[in-house]
Amino acid sequence: QVQLQESGPGLVKPSETLSLTCAVSGYSISSGYYWGWIRQSPGKGLEWIGSISYSGNTYYNPSLKSRVTISVDMSKNQFSLKLSSVTAADTAVYYCARHERVEYDSSGYDIWGQGTMVTVSS
Amino acid sequence: DIQMTQSPSSLSASVGDRVTITCRASQSIRTYLNWYQHKPGEAPNLLICAASSLQAGVPSRFSGSGSGTDFTLTISSLQPEDFATYYCQQSYTTPRTFGPGTKVDIK
Repeated sequence: QVQLQESGPGLVKPSETLSLTCAVSGYSISSGYYWGWIRQSPGKGLEWIGSISYSGNTYYNPSLKSRVTISVDMSKNQFSLKLSSVTAADTAVYYCARHERVEYDSSGYDIWGQGTMVTVSS
Repeated sequence: DIQMTQSPSSLSASVGDRVTITCRASQSIRTYLNWYQHKPGEAPNLLICAASSLQAGVPSRFSGSGSGTDFTLTISSLQPEDFATYYCQQSYTTPRTFGPGTKVDIK
């Protein structure tokens, strides 16, 4: 059974970098799929942040691209999100999720982590 | 970016009711449309992918239809566990975008 689990600080100061990790169990990241980050700000909808392929190719939402880095650590079977220069607008529940393709994707996000709340505040 | 809209934004319904939620894309996305159920404190759950393919384990009272720009999620007989927020999401191109959600609550 494939499972994803997010981890990282729950509180980040404004202007600093938010760093989260998604640990994958039950499946080897290097075997395939794309691995993405999605967030939901309080009272708002879901927003795709970006994704990384099993081969390390990255795809980012243009609205966040200048501040986002997604990377993968095959040895630990996990992938990570870094979001720089955060503001209160980045306060959200952050989810990691799996999908088959970035475009022309008929599968959707089939496996999700439980989500982790990150608050940006001094 | 492809904008996704949903209607209604919320609805009140009773157990046993038939519920229909509409999702519209700002341009054709063929059938690259997915539906999720989201309950507070939980991860979203994929119900339907590719507009009409029911995910394994999802009750058959859920169904999806549509192509191009107009899509529908139908719950044939609403059950107590179905009260949640439902999102559509296009996976045709990047950035992958979600609809604003439809909250289904108890009448």
